[in-house]
Amino acid sequence: AQSVTQLGSHVSVSEGALVLLRCNYSSSVPPYLFWYVQYPNQGLQLLLKYTTGATLVKGINGFEAEFKKSETSFHLTKPSAHMSDAAEYFCAVSDATGGFKTIFGAGTRLFVKA
Amino acid sequence: EAGVAQSPRYKIIEKRQSVAFWCNPISGHATLYWYQQILGQGPKLLIQFQNNGVVDDSQLPKDRFSAERLKGVDSTLKIQPAKLEDSAVYLCASSLGVGGMNEQFFGPGTRLTVL
Repeated sequence: AQSVTQLGSHVSVSEGALVLLRCNYSSSVPPYLFWYVQYPNQGLQLLLKYTTGATLVKGINGFEAEFKKSETSFHLTKPSAHMSDAAEYFCAVSDATGGFKTIFGAGTRLFVKA
Repeated sequence: EAGVAQSPRYKIIEKRQSVAFWCNPISGHATLYWYQQILGQGPKLLIQFQNNGVVDDSQLPKDRFSAERLKGVDSTLKIQPAKLEDSAVYLCASSLGVGGMNEQFFGPGTRLTVL
């Protein structure tokens, strides 16, 4: 069965610093991988997704993630954090063994310090 | 393009009472999802519709939860009777297709508090 582990329920960075949010997944077949962001009192919004092809995926707001099959990871990065990046981030996986049901991780709350 | 609409945004009820949530997906989206998001956890799929048919309801507590999607558009999720552990945010989402690679568009959610 698929599962998603997000390391660190809270991450704090200074404005301008590198953002790194970690995600490891479990899947026995090629997965589809997603990162969603949730701002306070709003629904989730897709940042980026990996389906097939290029393993480095670029998303909105300067975020990118790299699919590493050997490490079963899909970490999210952004070179320079902005105050507006403060939000909760969810990694998710979907694959054929689960009927393509999307499984979400528990989320990582990102704090950005001025 | 209008987003996914949900109402009400907030609801407080006593345990054993009933409650219903409404969702209007993005026009033309065939697939509609209801998720439960408990504080500190990621969203958990309760039920997935394609048009007005159920694709997956394996995690829906069917003794107390029910959902329908009339005419393949709007959807209602009902809890009857509610328990304390049902306190959560209920998210509705929609997507164009049913495949796992499709982006899901989420509504703002309904925050339910059961006292």
